Amino acid sequence: GAVVSQHPSWVICKSGTSVKIECRSLDFQATTMFWYRQFPKQSLMLMATSNEGSKATYEQGVEKDKFLINHASLTLSTLTVTSAHPEDSSFYICSASVGYSNQPQHFGDGTRLSIL
Amino acid sequence: TQLLEQSPQFLSIQEGENLTVYCNSSSVFSSLQWYRQEPGEGPVLLVTVVTGGEVKKLKRLTFQFGDARKDSSLHITAAQPGDTGLYLCAGDFTSSNTGKLIFGQGTTLQVKP
Repeated sequence: GAVVSQHPSWVICKSGTSVKIECRSLDFQATTMFWYRQFPKQSLMLMATSNEGSKATYEQGVEKDKFLINHASLTLSTLTVTSAHPEDSSFYICSASVGYSNQPQHFGDGTRLSIL
Repeated sequence: TQLLEQSPQFLSIQEGENLTVYCNSSSVFSSLQWYRQEPGEGPVLLVTVVTGGEVKKLKRLTFQFGDARKDSSLHITAAQPGDTGLYLCAGDFTSSNTGKLIFGQGTTLQVKP
């Protein structure tokens, strides 16, 4: 149980393109979804917390107009990297949780984004 | 600001050796989770510890939660090449009621055959 699907797993696109990443909880309802960014051999850096039906809460230093998050249902959240540039290239990972304290987060397999 | 200090950051050992990874904070956790991540994949939950002093075992892995719930450790006995990966501790602090986790810096473990 607790499967999270993230799509696509790999994206290569030109600078200036907007890229949408989907995160789906397949067998449970995720009140809260989290979006992380990860650089090679480093830990996860939380970008934003997304609650179904409300605006995402962004971490300090994360541009909300650059990284658009939508959490329209209890099983789907999307992250759109708008007008992506090479410095946005990274590994983006989502996780889903029922949203209460002490509950584990279940992670997707990540999206490798490469901007040329 | 709540921080989680994880050490060591890199560890390269021979098959059969034992190792311990530490996770420390000045703040109290309501719970702490350990994850393992392989390259190109998302982290996979290994264990959640909630009670101070708690010890949990998962085959050759032993997880401890400090009595004061400010620190935790992961001990691997007789490491194998299949244990290679990035190990992450993540704390859910008592002041948070959203399930938001603070991650440690991670420990990259390489077990050589």
